[in-house]
Amino acid sequence: QSALTQPPSASGSPGQSVTISCTGTSSDVGGFNFVSWYQQHPGKAPKLMIYEVTKRPSGVPDRFSGSKSGNTASLTVSGLQAEDEADYFCSSYAGSNNYVFGTGTKVTVL
Amino acid sequence: QVQLQESGPGLVKPSETLSLTCTVSGYSISSGYYWGWIRQLPEKGLEWIGNIYHSGSTYYNPPLKSRVTISVDTSKNEFSLNLSSVAAADTAMYYCARGSMLRGFDYWGQGALVTVSS
Repeated sequence: QSALTQPPSASGSPGQSVTISCTGTSSDVGGFNFVSWYQQHPGKAPKLMIYEVTKRPSGVPDRFSGSKSGNTASLTVSGLQAEDEADYFCSSYAGSNNYVFGTGTKVTVL
Repeated sequence: QVQLQESGPGLVKPSETLSLTCTVSGYSISSGYYWGWIRQLPEKGLEWIGNIYHSGSTYYNPPLKSRVTISVDTSKNEFSLNLSSVAAADTAMYYCARGSMLRGFDYWGQGALVTVSS
């Protein structure tokens, strides 16, 4: 399976919103509602931010939201804060107990 | 609180086998979930390597399948990764994580940097 496609970068000013896309195929993103999103700060392990396309784990601010349309999933960060500057990766179940990650997006808070 | 910690050699010679262990605390591996290995190549994205389920069933990323073995030792509450015939392209940060189909990978280790070099 090929990596899910994400834009290399995205940016926004504090308080604004930024949306990151994650494009796959009908064999992964489009075929299952098992898309998750991870935030990674430099030198740190990834942190789960969204699972099952739209759900937030306990402790994740509601500024983070997820959605999906067809073969593309999206992560929106509203009310951008300096601490949101990080790399973001999507992941999807790809059938037959296989998983695939996205190429990653660097979010910059201007 | 669930915690995972990777351990193993930081330097492996080309053609040899990379071996890492993930020690889990705060949760019994045999109680459920799957336990996975994910790697991050330098300045690159994440790559799923494979999972082992609490039942012992294993599933591997097809491009790596011929070189990967994941095993579990429930008595020590740890699981391990073996990657054979390594090359420089296998140099990466290796993470272990707990996962489920519904919640994705919800707990991660801090990562172990493995360099393949002679």
